[in-house]
Amino acid sequence: GAVVSQHPSRVICKSGTSVKIECRSLDFQATTMFWYRQFPKQSLMLMATSNEGSKATYEQGVEKDKFLINHASLTLSTLTVTSAHPEDSSFYICSARDPQGYTEAFFGQGTRLTVV
Amino acid sequence: DAKTTQPTSMDCAEGRAANLPCNHSTISGNEYVYWYRQIHSQGPQYIIHGLKNNETNEMASLIITEDRKSSTLILPHATLRDTAVYYCIAASNFGNEKLTFGTGTRLTIIP
Repeated sequence: GAVVSQHPSRVICKSGTSVKIECRSLDFQATTMFWYRQFPKQSLMLMATSNEGSKATYEQGVEKDKFLINHASLTLSTLTVTSAHPEDSSFYICSARDPQGYTEAFFGQGTRLTVV
Repeated sequence: DAKTTQPTSMDCAEGRAANLPCNHSTISGNEYVYWYRQIHSQGPQYIIHGLKNNETNEMASLIITEDRKSSTLILPHATLRDTAVYYCIAASNFGNEKLTFGTGTRLTIIP
């Protein structure tokens, strides 16, 4: 099946700094990618839909100026957590669906962000 | 996406069949039933999906009721590695449509 690769898998940063997470679709072109956040013992919560070549669509309650999403190519979307605070510590997961192939969504392996 | 309802947790003995139910009574005609699982600290893994016919692959079988209001995921011979949270999602098959996750079922395989 198709593969979505996410990097880094784990990152620790200081409070106030920014962190960038990359999500790549390895064998298909993803016009749309999705970013989720998961807190311990909770389900995945959709943060935003990343659209290639246009602005991302954010879910209600998600600060677009804090969570910057860039989808500059058909195989890469990035999520930047700006001015990170300890409450941003979470598991971030990206996903993509192949618009011309598989109907199922493929997920990255996730990024564990710890803000100290 | 139509709302789905799953039991919070289930146990199953190793080697036995694990049957995970899902209720999706408000599913619309163009929505498929997708099943994913998430092993601790990993991204969700696709298992199987179907529209109205029963489906089987190397991982599992999916049984969908005739009225499509519920379904059951069957892991025929559960192993300890099947311990995970299993999510049932009703969604269309359009590539730009998001998947909305419910609380899922935490399946524990007992040795």
